[in-house]
Amino acid sequence: QQNVQQSPESLIVPEGARTSLNCTFSDSASQYFWWYRQHSGKAPKALMSIFSNGEKEEGRFTIHLNKASLHFSLHIRDSQPSDSALYLCAVRARTGKLTFGDGTVLTVKP
Amino acid sequence: GPKVLQIPSHQIIDMGQMVTLNCDPVSNHLYFYWYKQILGQQMEFLVNFYNGKVMEKSKLFKDQFSVERPDGSYFTLKIQPTALEDSAVYFCASRVGQANTEVFFGKGTRLTVV
Repeated sequence: QQNVQQSPESLIVPEGARTSLNCTFSDSASQYFWWYRQHSGKAPKALMSIFSNGEKEEGRFTIHLNKASLHFSLHIRDSQPSDSALYLCAVRARTGKLTFGDGTVLTVKP
Repeated sequence: GPKVLQIPSHQIIDMGQMVTLNCDPVSNHLYFYWYKQILGQQMEFLVNFYNGKVMEKSKLFKDQFSVERPDGSYFTLKIQPTALEDSAVYFCASRVGQANTEVFFGKGTRLTVV
């Protein structure tokens, strides 16, 4: 049974700051690792994903995966007020099941 | 981008009644999901579905729940009978294939059981 945990539970940062969100998972056979963002009352929307150890950068967002540590993270450079949302990490198993963490609420203050 | 449509956006139902939540997935997608979200927090997996069959379901997918996609039309989640604890936002999602493809979510149906 996959167990996905996120930290911190909530985070308040000033505009322009670098933000780091963390996610741990329990099933070492997990295949794909995703970050989703959900604005209040909206559908979750995928930000980016990774499947092999290392880093991947897309614009202001960087995802980092360490399978041996059962950990991946999302880093946001130059955080903007529009980045304020619920961030959900998700891990996809070979069966196709996508398991989400319990979320980090990010607030970026102007 | 691709859109998953969910109808209705909000439904209020009396405890014990049946409810069917409808989802129109992205047209060429083959894998379908239902998730339950309470208080805008954790997105909890209910079930995934492929080729007319349930692939995997969680312990939240009680015996009162069922899913189907008759004739490739709407992908539905039926709850019969409903209970107060079924009140939540239910999200439908779909993806196209087996590789690392994005799972697209609908905007959700807010179900209130009274």
